[in-house]
Amino acid sequence: DAGVIQSPRHEVTEMGQEVTLRCKPISGHNSLFWYRQTMMRGLELLIYFNNNVPIDDSGMPEDRFSAKMPNASFSTLKIQPSEPRDSAVYFCASRQEGTSETQYFGPGTRLLVL
Amino acid sequence: DQQVKQNSPSLSVQEGRISILNCDYTNSMFDYFLWYKKYPAEGPTFLISISSIKDKNEDGRFTVFLNKSAKHLSLHIVPSQPGDSAVYFCAATTDSWGKLQFGAGTQVVVTP
Repeated sequence: DAGVIQSPRHEVTEMGQEVTLRCKPISGHNSLFWYRQTMMRGLELLIYFNNNVPIDDSGMPEDRFSAKMPNASFSTLKIQPSEPRDSAVYFCASRQEGTSETQYFGPGTRLLVL
Repeated sequence: DQQVKQNSPSLSVQEGRISILNCDYTNSMFDYFLWYKKYPAEGPTFLISISSIKDKNEDGRFTVFLNKSAKHLSLHIVPSQPGDSAVYFCAATTDSWGKLQFGAGTQVVVTP
């Protein structure tokens, strides 16, 4: 059974460019989470969806960040325009709400904005 | 506001000995706690969890203890193995919250 799939695994871009990160949750999971990990702030939640609907986006740092979940098997996190301080590892996680609190994480996307 | 705290950024332990990782929380509403393990260049993987109705949960070499009055939990790894070398994150949530609050992590190094 495939776990959470994220793409790309690595992204290097220049300041000002648009960056799109992608996530495919585990089949059957109805909650999806986007996290960012940095040395300074650790692992912080950006946004989470339940049944494709954004429930809490209070962790989204600013308007340059947006996330969508058009269907149960796909989500994107977009940064436009990107800045060097956005450099981090971005994780997607999913879980089956109602049956377990456990979230399962993808391998992450390592983003470097030059 | 850091609601989950792991005050030890690193821990070094000899192979075969016990590793004890500590975690403190401030939100008394938390009722479910999890430990995740993370290797470099990988996502965190779920290790073990405990509900607030219990004070201990065991899974093989891993045991989690919960002290609700002290708002403290700990993870014991016995015996420690070199493959246990990783960063360990403590996380907490409430039944209705849906999201996890993570600690900063503890880097464990198991030496031969």
